[in-house]
Amino acid sequence: SQQGEEDPQALSIQEGENATMNCSYKTSINNLQWYRQNSGRGLVHLILIRSNEREKHSGRLRVTLDTSKKSSSLLITASRAADTASYFCATAAYSGAGSYQLTFGKGTKLSVIP
Amino acid sequence: NAGVMQNPRHLVRRRGQEARLRCSPMKGHSHVYWYRQLPEEGLKFMVYLQKENIIDESGMPKERFSAEFPKEGPSILRIQQVVRGDSAAYFCASSPRGRGEGEAFFGQGTRLTVV
Repeated sequence: SQQGEEDPQALSIQEGENATMNCSYKTSINNLQWYRQNSGRGLVHLILIRSNEREKHSGRLRVTLDTSKKSSSLLITASRAADTASYFCATAAYSGAGSYQLTFGKGTKLSVIP
Repeated sequence: NAGVMQNPRHLVRRRGQEARLRCSPMKGHSHVYWYRQLPEEGLKFMVYLQKENIIDESGMPKERFSAEFPKEGPSILRIQQVVRGDSAAYFCASSPRGRGEGEAFFGQGTRLTVV
Protein backbone atom coordinates (compact mmCIF):
# COMPACT_ATOMS: atom_id res chain seq x y z
CA SER A 1 0.00 0.00 0.00
CA GLN A 2 1.12 3.57 -0.56
CA GLN A 3 2.79 5.19 2.42
CA GLY A 4 3.12 8.74 1.11
CA GLU A 5 0.20 10.47 -0.50
CA GLU A 6 0.89 13.72 -2.32
CA ASP A 7 -1.57 16.53 -2.61
CA PRO A 8 -2.58 17.99 -4.98
CA GLN A 9 -2.38 15.41 -7.77
CA ALA A 10 -1.78 18.18 -10.29
CA LEU A 11 -0.81 21.82 -9.96
CA SER A 12 -0.59 24.49 -12.64
CA ILE A 13 1.00 27.88 -11.89
CA GLN A 14 2.51 30.86 -13.68
CA GLU A 15 6.26 31.26 -13.89
CA GLY A 16 7.53 33.24 -10.92
CA GLU A 17 4.85 32.00 -8.52
CA ASN A 18 5.54 29.65 -5.64
CA ALA A 19 4.48 26.01 -5.78
CA THR A 20 3.55 24.07 -2.65
CA MET A 21 3.08 20.31 -2.59
CA ASN A 22 2.07 18.28 0.43
CA CYS A 23 2.71 14.72 1.47
CA SER A 24 1.00 12.71 4.19
CA TYR A 25 2.08 9.33 5.49
CA LYS A 26 0.86 6.73 7.94
CA THR A 27 3.65 5.12 9.94
CA SER A 28 6.73 6.26 11.84
CA ILE A 29 9.61 7.11 9.56
CA ASN A 30 13.39 7.40 9.66
CA ASN A 31 13.46 10.13 7.03
CA LEU A 32 11.42 11.59 4.20
CA GLN A 33 12.79 12.37 0.76
CA TRP A 34 11.53 14.34 -2.22
CA TYR A 35 12.29 13.33 -5.78
CA ARG A 36 11.59 14.87 -9.15
CA GLN A 37 10.80 13.02 -12.37
CA ASN A 38 10.74 14.56 -15.80
CA SER A 39 8.46 12.86 -18.26
CA GLY A 40 9.88 9.52 -19.36
CA ARG A 41 13.01 9.87 -17.23
CA GLY A 42 14.38 8.48 -14.00
CA LEU A 43 13.96 10.09 -10.61
CA VAL A 44 16.32 12.71 -9.31
CA HIS A 45 16.82 13.15 -5.59
CA LEU A 46 16.04 16.68 -4.39
CA ILE A 47 16.25 16.76 -0.62
CA LEU A 48 16.16 14.51 2.46
CA ILE A 49 14.79 15.52 5.84
CA ARG A 50 15.31 13.34 8.90
CA SER A 51 12.60 12.61 11.44
CA ASN A 52 14.26 14.85 14.03
CA GLU A 53 14.39 17.83 11.65
CA ARG A 54 11.57 20.30 11.08
CA GLU A 55 12.74 22.32 8.12
CA LYS A 56 15.39 22.16 5.45
CA HIS A 57 16.43 24.42 2.57
CA SER A 58 18.24 23.77 -0.66
CA GLY A 59 18.38 26.61 -3.17
CA ARG A 60 14.79 27.45 -4.12
CA LEU A 61 13.46 24.41 -2.27
CA ARG A 62 12.10 24.45 1.24
CA VAL A 63 10.90 21.27 2.93
CA THR A 64 9.06 21.04 6.23
CA LEU A 65 8.26 17.98 8.27
CA ASP A 66 5.63 17.68 10.99
CA THR A 67 5.93 14.22 12.54
CA SER A 68 2.97 14.83 14.87
CA LYS A 69 0.73 15.30 11.83
CA LYS A 70 2.69 12.83 9.71
CA SER A 71 2.98 15.34 6.92
CA SER A 72 5.58 17.17 4.87
CA SER A 73 5.49 20.00 2.39
CA LEU A 74 7.75 20.96 -0.49
CA LEU A 75 7.85 24.61 -1.48
CA ILE A 76 9.46 25.71 -4.73
CA THR A 77 9.91 29.47 -4.79
CA ALA A 78 10.07 31.67 -7.89
CA SER A 79 9.11 28.78 -10.15
CA ARG A 80 10.51 28.40 -13.65
CA ALA A 81 9.20 26.59 -16.71
CA ALA A 82 12.04 24.10 -16.23
CA ASP A 83 10.51 23.07 -12.88
CA THR A 84 7.69 21.38 -14.81
CA ALA A 85 7.85 17.73 -13.70
CA SER A 86 6.28 15.21 -11.34
CA TYR A 87 7.34 15.43 -7.72
CA PHE A 88 7.29 12.43 -5.41
CA CYS A 89 7.72 12.11 -1.69
CA ALA A 90 9.29 8.91 -0.39
CA THR A 91 9.26 7.78 3.22
CA ALA A 92 11.98 5.61 4.71
CA ALA A 93 10.60 3.34 7.41
CA TYR A 94 11.85 0.09 8.90
CA SER A 95 10.26 -2.77 6.98
CA GLY A 96 10.79 -5.53 9.49
CA ALA A 97 12.54 -7.51 6.79
CA GLY A 98 15.96 -6.37 7.91
CA SER A 99 15.99 -3.11 6.03
CA TYR A 100 14.24 0.19 5.54
CA GLN A 101 11.42 0.51 3.05
CA LEU A 102 11.64 3.53 0.76
CA THR A 103 8.00 3.93 -0.25
CA PHE A 104 6.84 6.40 -2.88
CA GLY A 105 3.57 8.26 -3.24
CA LYS A 106 1.77 8.77 -6.56
CA GLY A 107 3.24 12.18 -7.08
CA THR A 108 2.16 15.72 -7.87
CA LYS A 109 2.34 16.77 -11.50
CA LEU A 110 3.53 20.38 -11.60
CA SER A 111 3.12 22.52 -14.71
CA VAL A 112 4.79 25.93 -14.75
CA ILE A 113 3.41 28.13 -17.50
CA PRO A 114 5.87 30.63 -19.02
CA ASN B 1 31.59 8.72 -12.27
CA ALA B 2 28.82 7.40 -14.47
CA GLY B 3 25.35 7.27 -13.01
CA VAL B 4 23.18 4.20 -12.65
CA MET B 5 23.02 2.54 -16.06
CA GLN B 6 20.03 0.54 -17.14
CA ASN B 7 19.61 -1.34 -20.37
CA PRO B 8 17.85 -1.73 -22.56
CA ARG B 9 15.90 1.56 -22.40
CA HIS B 10 13.01 0.00 -24.25
CA LEU B 11 12.12 -3.68 -24.50
CA VAL B 12 9.27 -5.25 -26.43
CA ARG B 13 8.34 -8.83 -25.70
CA ARG B 14 5.54 -11.09 -26.87
CA ARG B 15 3.38 -12.78 -24.25
CA GLY B 16 5.13 -15.85 -22.89
CA GLN B 17 8.67 -14.67 -23.64
CA GLU B 18 11.29 -13.79 -21.06
CA ALA B 19 12.43 -10.26 -20.24
CA ARG B 20 15.86 -9.57 -18.78
CA LEU B 21 16.53 -6.09 -17.44
CA ARG B 22 20.03 -5.04 -16.47
CA CYS B 23 21.23 -2.46 -13.99
CA SER B 24 24.79 -1.35 -13.30
CA PRO B 25 24.94 0.65 -10.06
CA MET B 26 27.09 3.67 -9.53
CA LYS B 27 30.72 2.91 -8.82
CA GLY B 28 31.21 2.13 -5.16
CA HIS B 29 27.52 1.40 -4.52
CA SER B 30 26.75 -2.06 -3.21
CA HIS B 31 23.00 -1.60 -2.61
CA VAL B 32 20.57 -2.00 -5.51
CA TYR B 33 16.78 -1.61 -5.57
CA TRP B 34 14.25 -2.32 -8.26
CA TYR B 35 10.96 -0.44 -8.62
CA ARG B 36 8.06 -0.71 -11.04
CA GLN B 37 6.07 2.28 -12.25
CA LEU B 38 2.75 2.11 -14.06
CA PRO B 39 1.58 5.14 -16.09
CA GLU B 40 0.49 8.06 -13.88
CA GLU B 41 1.49 6.08 -10.78
CA GLY B 42 4.25 6.29 -8.20
CA LEU B 43 7.01 3.75 -7.87
CA LYS B 44 6.26 0.39 -6.29
CA PHE B 45 9.12 -1.31 -4.49
CA MET B 46 10.02 -4.76 -5.78
CA VAL B 47 13.33 -5.95 -4.37
CA TYR B 48 16.43 -4.80 -2.51
CA LEU B 49 19.76 -6.54 -3.10
CA GLN B 50 23.32 -6.31 -1.95
CA LYS B 51 26.14 -8.11 -3.69
CA GLU B 52 25.16 -11.79 -3.96
CA ASN B 53 22.31 -11.38 -1.48
CA ILE B 54 18.60 -10.62 -1.64
CA ILE B 55 17.84 -8.50 1.41
CA ASP B 56 14.16 -7.75 0.91
CA GLU B 57 11.95 -9.14 -1.85
CA SER B 58 8.64 -8.35 -0.20
CA GLY B 59 7.46 -6.38 -3.24
CA MET B 60 8.30 -9.03 -5.79
CA PRO B 61 5.52 -11.20 -7.24
CA LYS B 62 5.99 -14.76 -6.04
CA GLU B 63 5.95 -16.28 -9.51
CA ARG B 64 7.78 -15.47 -12.75
CA PHE B 65 9.92 -12.69 -11.24
CA SER B 66 13.45 -13.08 -9.97
CA ALA B 67 16.40 -10.82 -9.30
CA GLU B 68 20.08 -11.25 -8.74
CA PHE B 69 23.11 -9.10 -8.06
CA PRO B 70 26.20 -11.25 -8.67
CA LYS B 71 29.66 -10.56 -7.34
CA GLU B 72 30.71 -9.44 -10.80
CA GLY B 73 28.47 -7.74 -13.33
CA PRO B 74 25.16 -5.93 -13.27
CA SER B 75 22.03 -6.70 -11.33
CA ILE B 76 19.45 -8.55 -13.38
CA LEU B 77 15.67 -8.45 -13.04
CA ARG B 78 14.20 -11.42 -14.87
CA ILE B 79 10.55 -11.83 -15.79
CA GLN B 80 9.58 -15.18 -17.20
CA GLN B 81 6.52 -15.84 -19.36
CA VAL B 82 5.61 -12.17 -19.55
CA VAL B 83 1.95 -11.10 -19.63
CA ARG B 84 0.37 -7.82 -20.74
CA GLY B 85 0.10 -6.68 -17.12
CA ASP B 86 3.91 -6.71 -16.84
CA SER B 87 4.07 -3.71 -19.20
CA ALA B 88 5.53 -0.89 -17.13
CA ALA B 89 8.65 1.15 -16.55
CA TYR B 90 11.18 -0.63 -14.33
CA PHE B 91 13.61 1.55 -12.45
CA CYS B 92 16.78 0.56 -10.70
CA ALA B 93 18.38 2.65 -7.98
CA SER B 94 21.61 2.30 -6.06
CA SER B 95 23.05 3.76 -2.90
CA PRO B 96 26.30 3.46 -0.99
CA ARG B 97 24.44 2.77 2.24
CA GLY B 98 21.40 0.76 3.23
CA ARG B 99 18.09 1.76 1.80
CA GLY B 100 16.35 4.64 3.45
CA GLU B 101 19.48 5.90 5.17
CA GLY B 102 20.33 8.32 2.40
CA GLU B 103 19.45 9.29 -1.11
CA ALA B 104 19.02 6.73 -3.83
CA PHE B 105 20.35 7.36 -7.33
CA PHE B 106 18.04 6.23 -10.10
CA GLY B 107 18.70 4.98 -13.59
CA GLN B 108 16.67 6.12 -16.60
CA GLY B 109 14.52 3.03 -16.49
CA THR B 110 13.60 0.23 -18.86
CA ARG B 111 10.21 0.51 -20.50
CA LEU B 112 8.84 -2.96 -21.04
CA THR B 113 5.99 -3.43 -23.48
CA VAL B 114 4.34 -6.82 -23.75
CA VAL B 115 2.44 -7.33 -26.99
